[in-house]
Amino acid sequence: DIQMTQSPSTLSASVGDRVTITCRASQSISSWLAWYQQKAGKAPKLLIYKASYLESGVPSRFSGSGSGTEFTLTISTLQPDDFATYYCQHYKGYPPWTFGQGTKVEI
Amino acid sequence: EVQLVESGGGLVQPGGSLRLSCATSGFTFSTYAMHWVRQAPGKGLEYVSGISGNGGSTYYADSVKGRFTISRDNSEKTLFLQMGSLRVEDMAVYHCARDFSSGWYYFDHWGQGTLVTVSP
Repeated sequence: DIQMTQSPSTLSASVGDRVTITCRASQSISSWLAWYQQKAGKAPKLLIYKASYLESGVPSRFSGSGSGTEFTLTISTLQPDDFATYYCQHYKGYPPWTFGQGTKVEI
Repeated sequence: EVQLVESGGGLVQPGGSLRLSCATSGFTFSTYAMHWVRQAPGKGLEYVSGISGNGGSTYYADSVKGRFTISRDNSEKTLFLQMGSLRVEDMAVYHCARDFSSGWYYFDHWGQGTLVTVSP
């Protein structure tokens, strides 16, 4: 099974900061990676797919990069609405797939 | 507008059974693979199961294989998860999620979830 490891687990930041979250896969997943945002008590929301493609309607301050085993999600200028938990997920091959353990972005 | 609405959660004793449903609207249900993802209280997301658009292919996490069965009714645009031999560790909010396409990709729409509580 492919393991996904996110870092950090918690990130303290301020409005206006540039924020970077890292996700590492235990083996190469090419670009088969998605990023989701989840707010407390809500369903996850797709932000990025295929490592770097921005989902329609997602603000351009979000961006993704990487391939193989190392990936990053960057928020260029943190907004109040961005305080949430972020998850990476691989979708290489057939299910079952795995998620990273999550990164909570807090004030 | 794509909508996914889960139901069927509740309190069940260890060893018991429960059937979850996910009613959908706003898209051609039969042309999309569908999935279940769960989240234990205070924990991260865990993949549970997926099913192809015609129901012919199904996949399960090792943690639920042999105890859970995913199915779908394309005429009713509804996804199901039959859960049996429930354990305390199955307690979670269960979300249904739509695959990006008929294939096996990422989840582009999610439901709000239904809570399953497993307790004596």
